[in-house]
Amino acid sequence: AQSVSQHNHHVILSEAASLELGCNYSYGGTVNLFWYVQYPGQHLQLLLKYFSGDPLVKGIKGFEAEFIKSKFSFNLRKPSVQWSDTAEYFCAVNVYSGAGSYQLTFGKGTKLSVIP
Amino acid sequence: NAGVTQTPKFQVLKTGQSMTLQCAQDMNHEYMSWYRQDPGMGLRLIHYSVGAGITDQGEVPNGYNVSRSTTEDFPLRLLSAAPSQTSVYFCASRDRRWGGAGKSQETQYFGPGTRLLVL
Repeated sequence: AQSVSQHNHHVILSEAASLELGCNYSYGGTVNLFWYVQYPGQHLQLLLKYFSGDPLVKGIKGFEAEFIKSKFSFNLRKPSVQWSDTAEYFCAVNVYSGAGSYQLTFGKGTKLSVIP
Repeated sequence: NAGVTQTPKFQVLKTGQSMTLQCAQDMNHEYMSWYRQDPGMGLRLIHYSVGAGITDQGEVPNGYNVSRSTTEDFPLRLLSAAPSQTSVYFCASRDRRWGGAGKSQETQYFGPGTRLLVL
């Protein structure tokens, strides 16, 4: 079964610092990749997604992610974080298993705390 | 569109009680699913449905039942609640679009969640 690994459980940054959150997956076939964000007490919101084409994907709120197929990675980046980026971030992989069947698997999440 | 809606927002149950978590979407999505979120565990799939009348088990189905009589609604039932079912429950529906080479592009959208405490 495919798995999704997020390397950091909790990241603490000061405002204006650069952010990179790691995500690796274990499936070798075609994948769709997602980053979701969950602000405190709220539900998951889609941050960005990759289906095909340009491996550098830009999302909302200045976030971007790069798909590196050879490394099975989809790391999330932001050049300069803000206090309002404090949230939990989830990487997810949607694997096409044929005959119209798909499975979305989530990583365990990375909590980001931004210090003003 | 209201998107994905869930009720109730909060619920406290005693062990052995039953209840139904409601989920509805108005986007005409065929695929719907239920997840539970626990600290340090991420989201785990409980049950899913690929269309009205069709449901299947996910990663952690024990203790939960689902049905899908309409495209819009996908309720989750706890027949006999246990403390291990204390969690936050999220319903999701999936938008499917077709990309190149006949491959689908699917994006999942989540409801606001239901916080359940089982005593």
